[in-house]
Amino acid sequence: EDKVVQSPLSLVVHEGDTVTLNCSYEVTNFRSLLWYKQEKKAPTFLFMLTSSGIEKKSGRLSSILDKKELFSILNITATQTGDSAVYLCAVLQRPASNNDMRFGAGTRLTVKP
Amino acid sequence: KAGVTQTPRYLIKTRGQQVTLSCSPISGHRSVSWYQQTPGQGLQFLFEYFSETQRNKGNFPGRFSGRQFSNSRSEMNVSTLELGDSALYLCASSLGSGSSSYEQYFGPGTRLTVT
Repeated sequence: EDKVVQSPLSLVVHEGDTVTLNCSYEVTNFRSLLWYKQEKKAPTFLFMLTSSGIEKKSGRLSSILDKKELFSILNITATQTGDSAVYLCAVLQRPASNNDMRFGAGTRLTVKP
Repeated sequence: KAGVTQTPRYLIKTRGQQVTLSCSPISGHRSVSWYQQTPGQGLQFLFEYFSETQRNKGNFPGRFSGRQFSNSRSEMNVSTLELGDSALYLCASSLGSGSSSYEQYFGPGTRLTVT
């Protein structure tokens, strides 16, 4: 059965800390992995990863995919209270017409002042 | 560019009733996907519409249905509501084809409470 597993489920850190969130997957016909940040309502898009070993960066956030070991990590450096949210990873499968994203349960990150 | 909009934002219904939710995608996006989010099950895919046709379907009963109009706006209908249908219903839009088709952008969601 296809599955997407995120760890840890929750994390509490202090401002300035660096965190690493994990997402492992076992799906057939893997196409891409996406990361979203969900604060109160709608998840907002962070990254899409399709190729192994290529790091994507956006400010203090970065992510990388390992298609051999079937996982991705999301790093957040110098965390701020505004980073507090649930971080979701989702996997897209082939064919390209399949837009069914399979989500992990999410990691709830709390950043304390 | 305006984002994805969903109406209504909140809804309270009783068991046995039916409900229709609406989603307007980002201008130019032709794909609309619907998701159900509950604390117990997380985010689960309901179905996707592209060019007025259902292209993909998740593992939900037939009480859940949808449609898409020629302007790409989509509606989702749930009939014979059950208590377990209480959830946040999110729609996401994407181009649906081409190299950037994978990126889906979510609307604010409709919070449905069934009593």
